[in-house]
Formats: sequence, C-alpha cells, structure tokens
Amino acid sequence: EDQVTQSPEALRLQEGESSSLNCSYTVSGLRGLFWYRQDPGKGPEFLFTLYSAGEEKEKERLKATLTKKESFLHITAPKPEDSATYLCAVLSGSSNTGKLIFGQGTTLQVKP
Amino acid sequence: GAVVSQHPSRVICKSGTSVKIECRSLDFQATTMFWYRQFPKKSLMLMATSNEGSKATYEQGVEKDKFLINHASLTLSTLTVTSAHPEDSSFYICSASRQGTSYEQYFGPGTRLTVT
Repeated sequence: EDQVTQSPEALRLQEGESSSLNCSYTVSGLRGLFWYRQDPGKGPEFLFTLYSAGEEKEKERLKATLTKKESFLHITAPKPEDSATYLCAVLSGSSNTGKLIFGQGTTLQVKP
Repeated sequence: GAVVSQHPSRVICKSGTSVKIECRSLDFQATTMFWYRQFPKKSLMLMATSNEGSKATYEQGVEKDKFLINHASLTLSTLTVTSAHPEDSSFYICSASRQGTSYEQYFGPGTRLTVT
C-alpha cells in the first residue's frame, strides 16, 4: 500500500536555526513527490516537485532533496514568516487519475 | 500563473439546506479538479476527482448523493453539499491540474462551511 510519513509532527526553531523536515514514502513507482506549504485557514501553496533520486530544488531559504526512500525539506536560517505546516505528497505509478497521497504534515514554528 | 479561486470563502447554512461551492482555475485550463476535506489539525482527505465533461470519481466512503460534483468546463467545478448537517461542517478545498503538466496540483484558498 502506498504510504507517506512525515516527521517530526511539530518543530520549533529559533530564528536563524537551520533544520530539516523528513518525508518518507513507500509507493509503487514514484512519478513525482510534491512539497506544499499551508498557512492556517488557507489552501496549500505549491513549493516543489521532485521526480527522481538525486534531484534538488531551491527556493529562497528552502531546499528540497529526494532519494529513493525519502525527501528532505531543508530550511536555512528560517524567519518567523516561515512558520506554517509543510505537506509532502506523492504520485504513485499506479495512479491514473493524478491522485496524490499526502503525509500528515509537519507544523513548523519559528520564534524571533 | 496557476491561480485557483474558490467561492464563497465562508458560508453558514441551516441544517437541511444545500450549499454550492465553486472552484475556478483563473489563468489555466484544468484537465482534472480535485475536492478535499480537511479537519482541524489534520491532513487533506480526498473526496473526489473530476474531469471536465465526465462523472466524478468518488473516494471510498464519500456519499455521491450528498456531495454532488459538477465539472462543466475546463475552468469550473462545483461541489454541492445537499441536505447539510452539522457533521458536514468542515474546511473544503479544491485543487486543479493543468493540461499537459506533470500532475502538479494547485489549490484554492478553501471554503469554511458551518452548518447550524
């Protein structure tokens, strides 16, 4: 069964304290791994898509990496405005509808 | 690009009435649209997938007759919650995939439904 697990569930950082969020997955043929950011009371905002092991993408203080079993979202020198819930999702090779399988998310709080 | 809107953003209705939520892709044509439900502090729960001009595909456990989905055009999908009850109160979010892309989904801002 396709599955996505994110850790930790919650993470508290001081401003400037770099860290990483983990997304582990088991899927029958990965077609894509997606990272989203969600602020309270809003819809998820698209961040990155990764397709193959070894791929990396960056956007401001965020960098996403992918291996055959997991993805990391590295946050460098975070600021309070980076506080949000970060969601990871995968698209399985067995899907013919584009259905994404989401993890439970990591809620990040960055204190000034 | 890739902007998705939802209307209304908030709605309060009485038990037994029906509510319609619209989802529009503003600057692209959406081959597929998805409807999610999200409970407090929980992840997204897919309710159904819809393709323009076709019947929606519902996830297991989602009542087709209660949650009516119509995908009339490549830029508009609607979700109608029929005979709403307090347990239908939730945050409903739609998303859309662009034609010819790699299945990236772009989400709307969500609709908060409260049934009294």
